[in-house]
Amino acid sequence: AAGVIQSPRHLIKEKRETATLKCYPIPRHDTVYWYQQGPGQDPQFLISFYEKMQSDKGSIPDRFSAQQFSDYHSELNMSSLELGDSALYFCASRHRGGVGKNIQYFGAGTRLSVL
Amino acid sequence: DQQVKQNSPSLSVQEGRISILNCDYTNSMFDYFLWYKKYPAEGPTFLISISSIKDKNEDGRFTVFLNKSAKHLSLHIVPSQPGDSAVYFCAASAINSGNTPLVFGKGTRLSVIA
Repeated sequence: AAGVIQSPRHLIKEKRETATLKCYPIPRHDTVYWYQQGPGQDPQFLISFYEKMQSDKGSIPDRFSAQQFSDYHSELNMSSLELGDSALYFCASRHRGGVGKNIQYFGAGTRLSVL
Repeated sequence: DQQVKQNSPSLSVQEGRISILNCDYTNSMFDYFLWYKKYPAEGPTFLISISSIKDKNEDGRFTVFLNKSAKHLSLHIVPSQPGDSAVYFCAASAINSGNTPLVFGKGTRLSVIA
């Protein structure tokens, strides 16, 4: 079965650079979530989209922005990168009208390292 | 403040025995709970969930128990297998309040010893 696809898997950037992370949800899933997991930490919710509109906003810095496109894929844009942005970034998708209520399915993540 | 707490960072269990992972929450608005398993270099994999209208949900070797009055849930794995060794995250959401993002605990690392 198709899963959530994230690219790239690894990304190395320098301070003050920009980065773009991509997420392709499971087909027919209409909601996408972004989470950030720092070293030894639990995943923290950043932002979500439902039917291409921002749905919820969590602890996303102002330097970050995201959007969901007409094909339902989503991109997380990160600017003025800081050392503290080094983390695993997970995307999850969900079918809002699905039987499985709020089961979110996660991608393998993008490991961002800011040097 | 941590709204979902997994107070045991690690747990070791003999193969074939029961693994019990615990999770406590503080937000009484949470009404849907999930357990995820995570291997290194992979994303969290959904295991099992439970709605607040139930107190037990079972799926094969995995059973989740929910005690709403104590704001406590637990995941039982019986029998435990070496392949179950992973980090287990408890997560919660408040769906009926329209709040669907998951709030995670810090995880418990389970080691199943052969």
